[in-house]
Amino acid sequence: SQQGEEDPQALSIQEGENATMNCSYKTSINNLQWYRQNSGRGLVHLILIRSNEREKHSGRLRVTLDTSKKSSSLLITASRAADTASYFCATAGNTGKLIFGQGTTLQVKP
Amino acid sequence: DGGITQSPKYLFRKEGQNVTLSCEQNLNHDAMYWYRQDPGQGLRLIYYSQIVNDFQKGDIAEGYSVSREKKESFPLTVTSAQKNPTAFYLCASRTSGSIDTQYFGPGTRLTVL
Repeated sequence: SQQGEEDPQALSIQEGENATMNCSYKTSINNLQWYRQNSGRGLVHLILIRSNEREKHSGRLRVTLDTSKKSSSLLITASRAADTASYFCATAGNTGKLIFGQGTTLQVKP
Repeated sequence: DGGITQSPKYLFRKEGQNVTLSCEQNLNHDAMYWYRQDPGQGLRLIYYSQIVNDFQKGDIAEGYSVSREKKESFPLTVTSAQKNPTAFYLCASRTSGSIDTQYFGPGTRLTVL
């Protein structure tokens, strides 16, 4: 079952601009994670935010989590052409499994 | 891709044939996972194993089988019962404990001819 719904499905921006992606989920979670996937490759973990955290930073990445709205956002600041990829949110409960969203495809134009 | 290897990278199969996808990890992780990804879609869980000699069905297990005889290896067999097997298959692993971060292999693209 797909828990996460991501918005937008596709995003195209110019290099240097910020990119914001949103993720909504349905059930209670222990943490929410964001992954990146370059075309035809495996996923790479970017950042994890726990259910008792509201905001987290890692380099040019900023993640927020609103458990009351069951939503999260990923902000990539000062985007680069190398940021072109698909980005997925994934939620973790108590089962040891991750439930992935449909993903946002980001294109950063040089 | 973090110590997880998948082979082959590309695989072609005729209808009616079984095929086995390999997944090996040298991260000493207890848990391993198989996902299917269709074009433009997210990942759907096929099977997972949290310990050697034990595995559980995911959301789309029909037409697939797995084994977990060694900690390092979690092969996936796509059987002829899987009606639409053409997809990108991803293997992942995770260490035990409270952190759920998964580490992914590079994937195998299976095409049924």
